[in-house]
Amino acid sequence: SQQGEEDPQALSIQEGENATMNCSYKTSINNLQWYRQNSGRGLVHLILIRSNEREKHSGRLRVTLDTSKKSSSLLITASRAADTASYFCATVLMDSSYKLIFGSGTRLLVRP
Amino acid sequence: EAGVAQSPRYKIIEKRQSVAFWCNPISGHATLYWYQQILGQGPKLLIQFQNNGVVDDSQLPKDRFSAERLKGVDSTLKIQPAKLEDSAVYLCASRGTERPYEQYFGPGTRLTVT
Repeated sequence: SQQGEEDPQALSIQEGENATMNCSYKTSINNLQWYRQNSGRGLVHLILIRSNEREKHSGRLRVTLDTSKKSSSLLITASRAADTASYFCATVLMDSSYKLIFGSGTRLLVRP
Repeated sequence: EAGVAQSPRYKIIEKRQSVAFWCNPISGHATLYWYQQILGQGPKLLIQFQNNGVVDDSQLPKDRFSAERLKGVDSTLKIQPAKLEDSAVYLCASRGTERPYEQYFGPGTRLTVT
C-alpha cells in the first residue's frame, strides 16, 4: 500500500504564480523526497529533507516537513510552463532498506 | 554519466501473451529496482536487487512475474501470462553509494494489454 497521500490531486495555475502541494504519510520516516515526472518520462529527484530538518530550499523549490503532523509541503515559486508535470512525494522508512514508498502524486499544469 | 536505460519504450500485447522488459542501470550502481506505475498512481515497488541477489520481492506477483539480474548489471522483468490489469508503466531505477537515498529512474516501458 502507498504510504503517502498528496493533495491536491490536480492543480492548475498561471505562469508566474506559486504552486503548493502537500503530502501526508503514516509511519515514522528517515527522510522524505520529492520527485517530478514529465509526461511519458521517468522520475527525476528534486529534493530530500531529513526527519530532523524542518525546511529546505533548492532554487525555486521550498520543502517543509512537520514530523508531528506527518506531513510535508512542496512550494514552487514563480512557476513556469516547463514546471508542468506530476510531482510525487516519497518516504524512506527508519529501517535500513532505503526503500522509497511513493504517494499518489499531484498533477500540476502551469498555463502560459 | 549515462542514465538508466530501458527498452522497449512501448509494448502492446494481447492478454495471456508474455512480455519482457530490459534495464541497464547506471554504471557502478549495485542496487536496482523495478516499479509498476498504474495510470494516475505513484510507482509501486515490485522487486529490489542488490548486485545479483534479490533483497525484496514481497510485492511481486510471482505466479506471473519474474525478474533476474544474472551478472549484477542488466536486469530483465518478465510477465507470463499477461492480464489486462498489468497495463502500466514499468520503471527501472538504480541507486549508488555516493547518494544512498536517491534513486535514478529510467524512462520506463509503457505496456498495454488488450
